[in-house]
Amino acid sequence: GDSVTQMEGPVTLSEEAFLTINCTYTATGYPSLFWYVQYPGEGLQLLLKATKADDKGSNKGFEATYRKETTSFHLEKGSVQVSDSAVYFCALSDGSGTGRRALTFGSGTRLQVQP
Amino acid sequence: GAGVSQSPRYKVAKRGQDVALRCDPISGHVSLFWYQQALGQGPEFLTYFQNEAQLDKSGLPSDRFFAERPEGSVSTLKIQRTQQEDSAVYLCASSPRGGQGGQFFGPGTRLTVL
Repeated sequence: GDSVTQMEGPVTLSEEAFLTINCTYTATGYPSLFWYVQYPGEGLQLLLKATKADDKGSNKGFEATYRKETTSFHLEKGSVQVSDSAVYFCALSDGSGTGRRALTFGSGTRLQVQP
Repeated sequence: GAGVSQSPRYKVAKRGQDVALRCDPISGHVSLFWYQQALGQGPEFLTYFQNEAQLDKSGLPSDRFFAERPEGSVSTLKIQRTQQEDSAVYLCASSPRGGQGGQFFGPGTRLTVL
């Protein structure tokens, strides 16, 4: 079945540092890919998405590019802020054409940004 | 409302009790999903509704778990005879259509079974 693998955290960075959180996936067909963010005490929020190969999703300074050849969707940000401290989840939706609607999530990566 | 709401936010149950968790999706959203999130893990799919029809319940871990959405809006997840392993955060999500363009999540209900 489909699966998503994320780098283990926590990732600890200083403010204004460059961020990369790795995400790779295993899936049949052509899944859509997502990054969700969970701030302390809040629910999951959709951060960005990409629906086909070579698409780049972007939002709030974060970017991720759908790389089918490496089955990856790494999250990047050029300059992190303390307010970016949260748990980040990579996820995919079924692309095999079966009609399955569930999202498959990675285990999450905690980001801690220090002032 | 502006987003997905869930109640209660926290629930403590004694082992063997029945619990009911409520989800109010975004108004007009056709699709509704329930997920279970264990501590330190990503959410795992439980079940999916399109309007009032439960189209996928493949993630429900046992027949103690039951979900309904009788009028195609509010949904209830019921867990009968709770066990300690049921302790988790239960997340509800909704989307305007099938959900493959992204799902909108509620804050979750944290269930602790003693």
